[in-house]
Amino acid sequence: DAGVIQSPRHEVTEMGQEVTLRCKPISGHDYLFWYRQTMMRGLELLIYFNNNVPIDDSGMPEDRFSAKMPNASFSTLKIQPSEPRDSAVYFCASSSHRGPSYEQYFGPGTRLTVT
Amino acid sequence: RKEVEQDPGPFNVPEGATVAFNCTYSNSASQSFFWYRQDCRKEPKLLMSVYSSGNEDGRFTAQLNRASQYISLLIRDSKLSDSATYLCVVTRGGSSNTGKLIFGQGTTLQVKP
Repeated sequence: DAGVIQSPRHEVTEMGQEVTLRCKPISGHDYLFWYRQTMMRGLELLIYFNNNVPIDDSGMPEDRFSAKMPNASFSTLKIQPSEPRDSAVYFCASSSHRGPSYEQYFGPGTRLTVT
Repeated sequence: RKEVEQDPGPFNVPEGATVAFNCTYSNSASQSFFWYRQDCRKEPKLLMSVYSSGNEDGRFTAQLNRASQYISLLIRDSKLSDSATYLCVVTRGGSSNTGKLIFGQGTTLQVKP
């Protein structure tokens, strides 16, 4: 079975540019999570969805960040405009509450560098 | 105070050693507990769930003490391949129990030959 798929795997962009990160969760999973990981702050939850509906976006840093989930098999995280402090690894994860409680499966991550 | 706290290490141990990691959590309503493993430049992956009665998976033993709000992970007979960062994870419990995982900062283990 395919795991969580993220694209791109690496992104290098200049300050001020728009960045779009993409995620395809595991089929049948009803929860999708976006995380950011840095050395200084560790793994931070940005936003999560249940059945395509955003449930908690309290971790989104500021209005420059937005996330959408138009259907059960696709989500995007957009940063506009990007800043150097946004440089981090962004993980997408999905889970199903029909199975073992709350185990989340992570994608390989997108390593973002903003210069 | 962070919701989940771990000693960041690093723990440097020789092959074959036994090593233990501890973790404390602040929300007494937390209901589910896990250890995740993260290799360098990779994604976190579930290592094992932690149950009140304690549970074992091969060389790994996890224990939970709800009264003290404390979780532990014991690794016996360490292998070079155990070198990684171990993340303590709890779910936010009570009325807001919605599957949201709270991650600790992680404890780094380096097993040396």
